[in-house]
Amino acid sequence: DAKTTQPTSMDCAEGRAANLPCNHSTISGNEYVYWYRQIHSQGPQYIIHGLKNNETNEMASLIITEDRKSSTLILPHATLRDTAVYYCIGQANFGNEKLTFGTGTRLTIIP
Amino acid sequence: KAGVTQTPRYLIKTRGQQVTLSCSPISGHRSVSWYQQTPGQGLQFLFEYFSETQRNKGNFPGRFSGRQFSNSRSEMNVSTLELGDSALYLCASRDRGLSYEQYFGPGTRLTVT
Repeated sequence: DAKTTQPTSMDCAEGRAANLPCNHSTISGNEYVYWYRQIHSQGPQYIIHGLKNNETNEMASLIITEDRKSSTLILPHATLRDTAVYYCIGQANFGNEKLTFGTGTRLTIIP
Repeated sequence: KAGVTQTPRYLIKTRGQQVTLSCSPISGHRSVSWYQQTPGQGLQFLFEYFSETQRNKGNFPGRFSGRQFSNSRSEMNVSTLELGDSALYLCASRDRGLSYEQYFGPGTRLTVT
C-alpha cells in the first residue's frame, strides 16, 4: 500500500474552499486514492476516490496530478460541519479490503 | 437503508476478562471489516470477513478473533483483556465487488480497567 503524507492540521474560513493536499509518491499503477473523514467520536465517512482522472461528487472534488504522486481534495464551500480529520489513503481495490490509515489532516473550519 | 450498527456502544471491562462486540452490516453487504482506533496508534485494521470466511488479517495477537454469520452479521472477541485494549472498535461493511467505499459504524468504545 502506498505511503501517504498529509499536513497535520489546516484551518479554513467558513464558506471558502478547503484544499487538502496529499503526497503519495510511491503509489503504484493499480492503487486508487481514497479520501475518508472522521468527525469527532464518529466512524470514518467515505468521501471520494480516484485512479488518475479528476473526480467530483456531491461532497467534494478530487484532483490527481498527472504523475499521480499527489492529489488535492477540495471541499468547495466549507461549513462548520466539515470540521474533521481527513485521511488520504492509497489502496489497491481488487481482493483487498484493508484500509491503511495514516495520521490524516485535522481540518478546522473557522466561523 | 439502515447504516452499519454496532452494539454495545460503550463497554467497561476489567483486565483478564473477555469481551464480544457485534456488528450488523448494511443490508446486502457481505464484507465486514474491523478496525481498532487508539490515540497512540490511530486506526488499525484487525480483520475482514466475507461469506463467513476471514479474508484478510492485520497484525494483532491471537487474543483478537472474529467470526461472521450466514446473515453477514459479525462479532469480534477479545480474550484476556489488557489495559492497552482500551480503544474505539469500528466495524465497516462493503458491497464487495460493486463499490469501493466502506461504510463505517459508530463504533464501540471499550474501556479496560
